[in-house]
Amino acid sequence: AQTVTQSQPEMSVQEAETVTLSCTYDTSESDYYLFWYKQPPSRQMILVIRQEAYKQQNATENRFSVNFQKAAKSFSLKISDSQLGDAAMYFCAYFGGSQGNLIFGKGTKLSVKP
Amino acid sequence: EPEVTQTPSHQVTQMGQEVILRCVPISNHLYFYWYRQILGQKVEFLVSFYNNEISEKSEIFDDQFSVERPDGSNFTLKIRSTKLEDSAMYFCASIGSTYEQYFGPGTRLTVT
Repeated sequence: AQTVTQSQPEMSVQEAETVTLSCTYDTSESDYYLFWYKQPPSRQMILVIRQEAYKQQNATENRFSVNFQKAAKSFSLKISDSQLGDAAMYFCAYFGGSQGNLIFGKGTKLSVKP
Repeated sequence: EPEVTQTPSHQVTQMGQEVILRCVPISNHLYFYWYRQILGQKVEFLVSFYNNEISEKSEIFDDQFSVERPDGSNFTLKIRSTKLEDSAMYFCASIGSTYEQYFGPGTRLTVT
């Protein structure tokens, strides 16, 4: 069965600095998708970024980028120029071809210090 | 921009009562999902729905739960006899052609 592991329960970053959130996963499939979701205190799940496993190029969305290492089954999220509004829970999620639903990690709580 | 909507935003019910949580997925999406998040824990899959039937379900989705698409827009989750441990945030999601799952704002269910 596929699993997603986020080893950092909490992280902290200074405003305007860069922070990297870690995620590893386990799968025997070759074709799948990986996502990072942001959950602010409102508890809404907001899609931050996605990565297709067949693409070697790392996805970027403005200040958010990923480091996707397929062989290592690693999918980290880098947030550049951190802003106060980035403070939230961040969930890494896996979606595979044979697995019709998202599998989530336990999340990392990010605090941003002014 | 199209979005998934859910009602109510907060539901308080007594143990043993039936509740129906409602969702309107994005109109051209074909797969719909219900997830649950107990406070402070990770998001867990409940059930997926495609072509008017359940596609997959988790161990959590027992006989107390049911889903329905009563018309062309609504997608509902029914809990027949609520238990205290059903207290959680319930998210509806629908999936587009690029496999991105778009989540609704959630319904906070409190069972007393």
